[in-house]
Amino acid sequence: AQSVTQPDIHITVSEGASLELRCNYSYGATPYLFWYVQSPGQGLQLLLKYFSGDTLVQGIKGFEAEFKRSQSSFNLRKPSVHWSDAAEYFCAILNQAGTALIFGKGTTLSVSS
Amino acid sequence: NAGVMQNPRHLVRRRGQEARLRCSPMKGHSHVYWYRQLPEEGLKFMVYLQKENIIDESGMPKERFSAEFPKEGPSILRIQQVVRGDSAAYFCASSPLAQLAGNEQFFGPGTRLTVL
Repeated sequence: AQSVTQPDIHITVSEGASLELRCNYSYGATPYLFWYVQSPGQGLQLLLKYFSGDTLVQGIKGFEAEFKRSQSSFNLRKPSVHWSDAAEYFCAILNQAGTALIFGKGTTLSVSS
Repeated sequence: NAGVMQNPRHLVRRRGQEARLRCSPMKGHSHVYWYRQLPEEGLKFMVYLQKENIIDESGMPKERFSAEFPKEGPSILRIQQVVRGDSAAYFCASSPLAQLAGNEQFFGPGTRLTVL
């Protein structure tokens, strides 16, 4: 069965430091992968997505993610974190039927000054 | 272009009452998805609808839950005889075409249901 694992429940990063959020998936074929961000009390906003092609994907707000098939990973990165990046981040995969997203449990990012 | 609208944003019900959650997709979107987010959990898919049709309801509980997306008006998620375990945030998303075509799902702000 398809699944998404985000190993880190909570991460704290200093403002200006680099960030990497981990995401591992379970799926036999080439996956459609997504990263969403959720601010408190808000809906989810798409940061970036991977369908095919270049394995390094650029997104909004300075985020990027790299698809590594050999590691079944799709880690999210940002070179310099801003206080406004504090939020919850969700990795997701499109299900096999193409009808729904399967989400990880999320990683909460805190940014310290 | 307004985003996905959900109402109410907060809903309080007593055990045994009915909850009706509404979702108006973005203009031009004919595909609607409902997800539930329990505390400390990620979002779990519930149902996928197109206008007047349920396409995939594999994530819907077998009893008390139903969803519709009529030709006119918003999509409705209905929970009958609510129990405390139904307390969660319910998110609606919409897309202009089928997700399989690689289209983004746009999410609404959610309805937070509290069952007393």
